[in-house]
Amino acid sequence: DARVTQTPRHKVTEMGQEVTMRCQPILGHNTVFWYRQTMMQGLELLAYFRNRAPLDDSGMPKDRFSAEMPDATLATLKIQPSEPRDSAVYFCASGFWGFGNTIYFGEGSWLTVV
Amino acid sequence: AQTVTQSQPEMSVQEAETVTLSCTYDTSESDYYLFWYKQPPSRQMILVIRQEAYKQQNATENRFSVNFQKAAKSFSLKISDSQLGDAAMYFCAYRSITGGGADGLTFGKGTHLIIQP
Repeated sequence: DARVTQTPRHKVTEMGQEVTMRCQPILGHNTVFWYRQTMMQGLELLAYFRNRAPLDDSGMPKDRFSAEMPDATLATLKIQPSEPRDSAVYFCASGFWGFGNTIYFGEGSWLTVV
Repeated sequence: AQTVTQSQPEMSVQEAETVTLSCTYDTSESDYYLFWYKQPPSRQMILVIRQEAYKQQNATENRFSVNFQKAAKSFSLKISDSQLGDAAMYFCAYRSITGGGADGLTFGKGTHLIIQP
């Protein structure tokens, strides 16, 4: 049963610490997305990659967030330094652009910054 | 840019009854995809149903069906014989078919569905 895998599932960290979230997309999918969900803003697209190349990261605060895809099986989202306002659920999602176009989500990483 | 509007923040239905969740969207594109995702308290985003805009036939998945009105830019979700496990947040989402510009899903704010036993 193919699925998007995210780690960690839950993370509590202190303000100022570095946080790295990891994602393994579904094998064969060529597009990977990072979304953030908060009560106030709902679901926001932070960044996405196609064929490992970053296409759009306009949704990310550039000074503290970075997203990379070092290989086809791993995408990372890093926050440094973290702030309380970064507390949210972060979703990784993947899909195959060109056919189907359905996007599948991981279970999310719950981040709390205290 | 596309926008998706879900005008019902919360809906309540008796178990076994039918409920319809509303969604409207705004786009200048002629071809696109529309989706309904379900998010239970676990926060997992689960695909419920999808519709290709070029298809006139409304999509159905077991108890879930949509009423897609392209001219009106409306995409409602009907849940028949509602069950306790259907209780969740439901998100309507839009995705461009071209992907040439901004890709990814544009989501509505969601509708919280409550199932009364």
